[in-house]
Amino acid sequence: DGGITQSPKYLFRKEGQNVTLSCEQNLNHDAMYWYRQDPGQGLRLIYYSQIVNDFQKGDIAEGYSVSREKKESFPLTVTSAQKNPTAFYLCASISDRGKRNEQFFGPGTRLTVL
Amino acid sequence: QKEVEQNSGPLSVPEGAIASLNCTYSDRVSQSFFWYRQYSGKSPELIMSIYSNGDKEDGRFTAQLNKASQYVSLLIRDSQPSDSATYLCAVNMPAGNNRKLIWGLGTSLAVNP
Repeated sequence: DGGITQSPKYLFRKEGQNVTLSCEQNLNHDAMYWYRQDPGQGLRLIYYSQIVNDFQKGDIAEGYSVSREKKESFPLTVTSAQKNPTAFYLCASISDRGKRNEQFFGPGTRLTVL
Repeated sequence: QKEVEQNSGPLSVPEGAIASLNCTYSDRVSQSFFWYRQYSGKSPELIMSIYSNGDKEDGRFTAQLNKASQYVSLLIRDSQPSDSATYLCAVNMPAGNNRKLIWGLGTSLAVNP
């Protein structure tokens, strides 16, 4: 089955720790995205990558880092510099059918800082 | 100024009624428009995409796009309690090879049995 997987589903972090959230897709999509969602708020773009070995900052990149070494994988590291990391993190990729830009989401990772 | 705006709701409709959700956007060159459904605690799910003026129907869902007035709407016919969710509007505002989506904050829909 094709799809986007994220792990873990729930993650607890102590203050001062870095944590890495996994995102893998087997849809052969070129572009991948990381969003953050807080209660009552919309989706805010953290980072995105349109091709392997290249990525761009989104609207709220401070305190986060990414890598894109393989087309299938786009892990997100939440560093200790991120002041308020508790949130729901969503990974998405874009269908490459023409320029339709349909984004599909993984199930999300809920990060809680203790 | 927000680039994609939606009424936050909650929008409450009785079961079997038509639910109408609206979204306005600021950039006239926007080309792609999407409606996502998000259940509480879950990730967004694409339910409709529309690219040209007019109506697009898929089952009980109809998306309507009016580029001159810069709005896109979603109609849900014969609303069911299982339609209760937050509906997110997203718009692609191309700039060069930019494939980012701009998101509204979502409209909460409650369908009452």
